[in-house]
Amino acid sequence: KAGVTQTPRYLIKTRGQQVTLSCSPISGHRSVSWYQQTPGQGLQFLFEYFSETQRNKGNFPGRFSGRQFSNSRSEMNVSTLELGDSALYLCASSPRTDTQYFGPGTRLTVL
Amino acid sequence: GQQLNQSPQSMFIQEGEDVSMNCTSSSIFNTWLWYKQDPGEGPVLLIALYKAGELTSNGRLTAQFGITRKDSFLNISASIPSDVGIYFCAGSELGNKLVFGAGTILRVKS
Repeated sequence: KAGVTQTPRYLIKTRGQQVTLSCSPISGHRSVSWYQQTPGQGLQFLFEYFSETQRNKGNFPGRFSGRQFSNSRSEMNVSTLELGDSALYLCASSPRTDTQYFGPGTRLTVL
Repeated sequence: GQQLNQSPQSMFIQEGEDVSMNCTSSSIFNTWLWYKQDPGEGPVLLIALYKAGELTSNGRLTAQFGITRKDSFLNISASIPSDVGIYFCAGSELGNKLVFGAGTILRVKS
């Protein structure tokens, strides 16, 4: 089975712009979660989607949003980018609530 | 809410040494997972544990689900240079989402 894929792998944006990141889960997995990872901050949970519905949400401002499509693919969007949004954004797909498989991540740099 | 304490925060290894790290939770967990992350990549699932007392190996890696269900251990035997990276534990209570430890950074002694 192919693993979790994320596109793009690298992205450079400037402050104020918006960005959309994409994630394709492992075939058959219906749950997708998103995390932000910055040095020294560990994995910060953004949100989880299951069957096109947001099931859980972390403590991030409304500039961060996501959605899931009927084929389980997911996108996350960050509007009005700030310098502090520079991070590795990770997507994880789940066959069951308590197990996640991560993609390679998208490295976002905000200048 | 669920909280995880992972220790040590970082450690240095010499090739050939055995390595141990652990995680403890503030509540009873039904699942413990261990991941390894290389720089610039996503975490890779190493071992998944779903039963108290379970001991599972993956090559030179061995992990255990503590019998109190509030802790888990990961051991690496005869470490090699490619073992360096960040190791994360993760766990969850029944029906709750996963929570992650802060990670253990494994470095090579020069």
